[in-house]
Amino acid sequence: EVQLVESGGGSVQPGGSLRLSCAAYGFTFGDYWMTWVRQAPGKGLEWVANIKQEGFDKYYVDSVKGRFTISRDNTKDSLYLQMNALRVEDTAVYYCARNRWAGLGLDPWGQGTLVTVSS
Amino acid sequence: QSVLTQPPSVSAAPGQKVTISCSGSISNIGKYDVSWYQQIPGTVPKLLIYGNDKRSSGIPDRFSGSKSGTSATLGITGLQTGDEADYYCGTWDTSLLAGVFGGGTKLTVL
Repeated sequence: EVQLVESGGGSVQPGGSLRLSCAAYGFTFGDYWMTWVRQAPGKGLEWVANIKQEGFDKYYVDSVKGRFTISRDNTKDSLYLQMNALRVEDTAVYYCARNRWAGLGLDPWGQGTLVTVSS
Repeated sequence: QSVLTQPPSVSAAPGQKVTISCSGSISNIGKYDVSWYQQIPGTVPKLLIYGNDKRSSGIPDRFSGSKSGTSATLGITGLQTGDEADYYCGTWDTSLLAGVFGGGTKLTVL
């Protein structure tokens, strides 16, 4: 079964750091672009970052540039999001997703991991 | 303010048809394929439509998608109470070099 499982969420104070992980199962991980999407409580979806198959091409939403780093380890079928200098407004459920189709055709999505930034 | 514009809410009676619009620009919808997602409250978003008009695996033909110029539309026929959800459009933006979603549309089946 094609599946993505996130981990690493939790509570952190403003200015702190967290590293999210996403383990992939049931497909050839290295064949696909991968994406992080977040959803603040009661809000809509926000695209955060994506990374190409080999890991060299990466793109970020402006609000996280310079603070977040997306990476992947194709030998471990895993995707990561290193989040530094966290802000209250980064509080959200973070989903990883496979770029199955062009034009942001993301499928499947992981179950999500909650990141709470609060003092 | 989202790059892609969707109506905040739509509603219709069971069995009826509804359409949800997604308006963008030449740098996103005008250039790239559009996808649509359904998110039932408390659940993970699910891909409904990709490539503007192609249904994802397991999605019934009551759901359809189309694109014209810088706008896209999701159509749902034979509305069921189980269709009550938030619906999002998404695509790539070549000016932002980022993925973009619409703000979401809440569908109420009266």
